[in-house]
Order: sequence, then C-alpha cells, then structure tokens
Amino acid sequence: QSVLTQPPSASGTPGQRVTISCSGSSSNIGGNYVYWYQQLPGTAPKLLIYRNNQRPSGVPDRFSGSKSGTSASLAISGLRSEDEADYYCAAWDDSLSGVVFGGGTKLTVL
Amino acid sequence: EVQLVESGGGLVQPGGSLRLSCAASGFTFSSYEMNWVRQAPGKGLEWVSYISSSGSSIYYADSVKGRFTISRDNAKNSLYLQMNSLRAEDTAVYYCARDGDRGLFDHWGQGTLVTVSS
Repeated sequence: QSVLTQPPSASGTPGQRVTISCSGSSSNIGGNYVYWYQQLPGTAPKLLIYRNNQRPSGVPDRFSGSKSGTSASLAISGLRSEDEADYYCAAWDDSLSGVVFGGGTKLTVL
Repeated sequence: EVQLVESGGGLVQPGGSLRLSCAASGFTFSSYEMNWVRQAPGKGLEWVSYISSSGSSIYYADSVKGRFTISRDNAKNSLYLQMNSLRAEDTAVYYCARDGDRGLFDHWGQGTLVTVSS
C-alpha cells in the first residue's frame, strides 16, 4: 500500500476535463509541496507539476495542480489522446524522512 | 542539455550484490541533490534513496535500509547505488533522478533493469 492514495484508474473522452486525486496526511501533503509526474508507456517519468501548482516550461497549461489540507488534485482540461499515461503524485514525508509516491493512476482516453 | 545515464543493472541471484552507476552531464553535478527511484515490473514508483550535493546527508527507504548504500563522486559527475543482500522484491527498473527540492525530480535517467532471480 502506498502512503499517498490515488484512484487506480481514470478516463475521459477527447476535449473533456478530468481530475485525479491524491490523499495523504499531515506529515506529507499537509506540510510539504506536492509534485505530479507523468509516465508515458515505456518511458521514464516526467515532472508535470511542482510545488503544488507550478508547471515546468514546456508543460501545456491544460495541466493544473491544486492542494488543500492533506489532499491534492491534478486536473487535465481539453483531454487529448497523447495524455494517456500513468500519473503519480509525490511529496516529502517528515515522519519517514523520504519521498512518498501515490500508487499511480492510469488515465485512459476513450 | 541535462543527461543522466544509468548502468550496472543485470541478473543477480538472491543474496548477491550489484553496483549501479549514474553518469551525469549538462549541469553542475556537485550543486544538486540526487536520488534513486525504482519501479517493479507493472508496479508504481518507489523512492529508494537520497544524497545531498556534498554527500553529507543521506536518506533511505525502510525497504532498503541496511542493504543499499548511496554515494557520489562529484569529481567524476557520478552517482552510485551499492546493493547488497538482494531479494526477489528488489527486481525493478532503477532510475536516478536530479532533485530540485525534496521530491522535485526534474530530470530522470532512462533506467537500468535489475533482476534478482535464481
């Protein structure tokens, strides 16, 4: 079981908006930044959102992140077929003195 | 261009050892914290270990504590992971990742596969 909880799957049709949740605790999400990673099939993960809601250069503004208390969300608007991937949330955990990941959410574009 | 290239993976028997390397280029390696992250076949990401830029601060996941050792050689722009007492559950692709801020992994290598099996 992962320290951060994500739904195992999500889906949407092209053009739709989908959200992926990530639930943690006061020792991780509640007191630290949340990061989101996208992993396309057969490739290394890629940083998608950093410090809760910031996008690295090159990441489309269709991707957005938010955090409230001990939970966070990734929203993808204007869904495209190339968004089909696994998405992971992550945060530093003060109790474990390490980074914790969510179990990952497989996004399917129908 | 930032590049991270892992090497050293392979097939090893349970109880055996392996040393992974990560060659860094395109940035000032000695200024950045680094991590190892692994992914078992068909599974999610698992953080393994962290090392500060100078090597003075190190953290491990409980699952590898006492068996794995992270180190770096800033003169050689290289990161290492010495893995001892390997178990079947250590089978995974191991990625090195540059750390911008305790979880901000802004660059990843392509990964190296470690298979622990008899």
